[in-house]
Amino acid sequence: GIQVEQSPPDLILQEGANSTLRCNFSDSVNNLQWFHQNPWGQLINLFYIPSGTKQNGRLSATTVATERYSLLYISSSQTSDSGVYYCAVVRYNQGGKLIFGQGTELSVKP
Amino acid sequence: GAGVSQSPSNKVTEKGKDVELRCDPISGHTALYWYRQRLGQGLEFLIYFQGNSAPDKSGLPSDRFSAERTGESVSTLTIQRTQQEDSAVYLCASSPPRRGLEETQYFGPGTRLLVL
Repeated sequence: GIQVEQSPPDLILQEGANSTLRCNFSDSVNNLQWFHQNPWGQLINLFYIPSGTKQNGRLSATTVATERYSLLYISSSQTSDSGVYYCAVVRYNQGGKLIFGQGTELSVKP
Repeated sequence: GAGVSQSPSNKVTEKGKDVELRCDPISGHTALYWYRQRLGQGLEFLIYFQGNSAPDKSGLPSDRFSAERTGESVSTLTIQRTQQEDSAVYLCASSPPRRGLEETQYFGPGTRLLVL
């Protein structure tokens, strides 16, 4: 089946810094989502982005489907950005399930 | 509107007991998914319901696990004869019909299961 790899696995930032998280996937995908899992375990939708670029406040994401990667940009990071960021993909011929990467654990220090 | 809800929030049970976990999807969402997240691990797929189609059970780890869904509403995940390795957070998600709409999956808060 399709493999989803995220990098880096861990990231420590000073408040106010910018960062880029990467998601590589091994085959073409129909859907791609980015999530933030906060310290209480809640999975929060960030972007639905099978291709193209989207922005939402300090966050933006770009998926280059032909090259099988997606990037999540966090600008002017805040302590509330801490948590685990997951990339997940769907291939219709493997059903509708999300296949998750192992996540990037982000810690933003004040 | 209301999001995906799950109950109970937390469940502590003894090894060998059966447990039932409940998921209420977002109204109008035809697809419903169950995932599991063990401590410090990523999310793994368990089962997927889409409308009246046969469910995709390919992620269920053993025959102790089963799930049902009533129409396009509530789903129940049942774990029989629980084992300590079943301890995890069980997450439910739902998504709208696949008709050109964004098929974003929305997650509930999860049920934290601890098997002693």
